[in-house]
Amino acid sequence: EAGVAQSPRYKIIEKRQSVAFWCNPISGHATLYWYQQILGQGPKLLIQFQNNGVVDDSQLPKDRFSAERLKGVDSTLKIQPAKLEDSAVYLCASSLWDSGNTIYFGEGSWLTVV
Amino acid sequence: AQSVAQPEDQVNVAEGNPLTVKCTYSVSGNPYLFWYVQYPNRGLQFLLKYITGDNLVKGSYGFEAEFNKSQTSFHLKKPSALVSDSALYFCAVRDLGSQGNLIFGKGTKLSVKP
Repeated sequence: EAGVAQSPRYKIIEKRQSVAFWCNPISGHATLYWYQQILGQGPKLLIQFQNNGVVDDSQLPKDRFSAERLKGVDSTLKIQPAKLEDSAVYLCASSLWDSGNTIYFGEGSWLTVV
Repeated sequence: AQSVAQPEDQVNVAEGNPLTVKCTYSVSGNPYLFWYVQYPNRGLQFLLKYITGDNLVKGSYGFEAEFNKSQTSFHLKKPSALVSDSALYFCAVRDLGSQGNLIFGKGTKLSVKP
């Protein structure tokens, strides 16, 4: 079974530039998550989708971050304009819709803003 | 609000010795608890989870965890550590009040020396 796919793996941009990350979840997983992991910290949820609807985006900085999940499968996370403090790993994850189910993570997209 | 605490930033163990990585939790209701491992420049890999049932949960790579309701703990253990176990370990609780996303501890770095 294929895992959660993410791209690009690494990205370096200058502040005020824009960047987009793509995620393809495990087949059949209705729930998709984007987490931000800053160096030395645990991952924190940015946004959660159930199919193509947003379930929780309370911690998404909406002035610069946006995300979509068209057709309820792939998802894109965009940052515009980027700030230095956005340097982090952006982890996409997916799960079946049930609280007891495991959330599976992709390899992450590593962003450095200079 | 749900939360987890990992009191140790780093745990050092000699190869062949038993290891314990500590985690305590704070939840309202029954906890859904998880352990993940993160190797350098990689995403999070699922190790094991406790949902209900036996307090001793067995997982991947020889790891196990003991759920202790009275002490609100979910410590990760392995009888004999390997150098290849050196990584960052995260404890997490499923936030049932917020559509089921994971709330992570800050992580514990495990270092196993030959």
